[in-house]
Amino acid sequence: DQQVKQNSPSLSVQEGRISILNCDYTNSMFDYFLWYKKYPAEGPTFLISISSIKDKNEDGRFTVFLNKSAKHLSLHIVPSQPGDSAVYFCAASTKGGGNKLTFGTGTQLKVEL
Amino acid sequence: EPEVTQTPSHQVTQMGQEVILRCVPISNHLYFYWYRQILGQKVEFLVSFYNNEISEKSEIFDDQFSVERPDGSNFTLKIRSTKLEDSAMYFCASSFREGDNQPQHFGDGTRLSIL
Repeated sequence: DQQVKQNSPSLSVQEGRISILNCDYTNSMFDYFLWYKKYPAEGPTFLISISSIKDKNEDGRFTVFLNKSAKHLSLHIVPSQPGDSAVYFCAASTKGGGNKLTFGTGTQLKVEL
Repeated sequence: EPEVTQTPSHQVTQMGQEVILRCVPISNHLYFYWYRQILGQKVEFLVSFYNNEISEKSEIFDDQFSVERPDGSNFTLKIRSTKLEDSAMYFCASSFREGDNQPQHFGDGTRLSIL
């Protein structure tokens, strides 16, 4: 099941710079997209989401962009902080049917001092 | 901030034994979910539950699996006869309602180890 893909397994960024995490999807029925952050030994923590009727959603240092024609979304973190170091998962769902989430494989972000 | 709590954090069980994983969803949430993550693999959907019945289940969720909301607060996942391949992190999640773009909130998981 490769409906949601995160092609970069890892990303290293300097503190204060922008982190850009990417996600691609293949199922055109997806209409709600989410980003989760996960620390070791913890569950995924919800960060930010976007509906398919929008192309941008912003919350503090986090912005998610959605390009429906390219079936691509990205998460921008600016400025990046050392506490942002974690695995970031992209997830998607469709309306109805219990709204199950389909996850990507995750990108390990390391923010260096 | 309200959170989803899961117990135990780690469960070790002999193959063929029954195991029950427990979850307390966020109190005003109505939709409940179980996911699992086998080491090195994606987080995978198992089942969703609303109004005391299963809304959707994946191919993984076969007859060996069952879910129950035995009271107003707990949500459990039972595996009747565990197999080695059931070893994984199991995450419970809940959301306020379906649709209207409600995010699911996850617990910290139960690590299930089958020997």
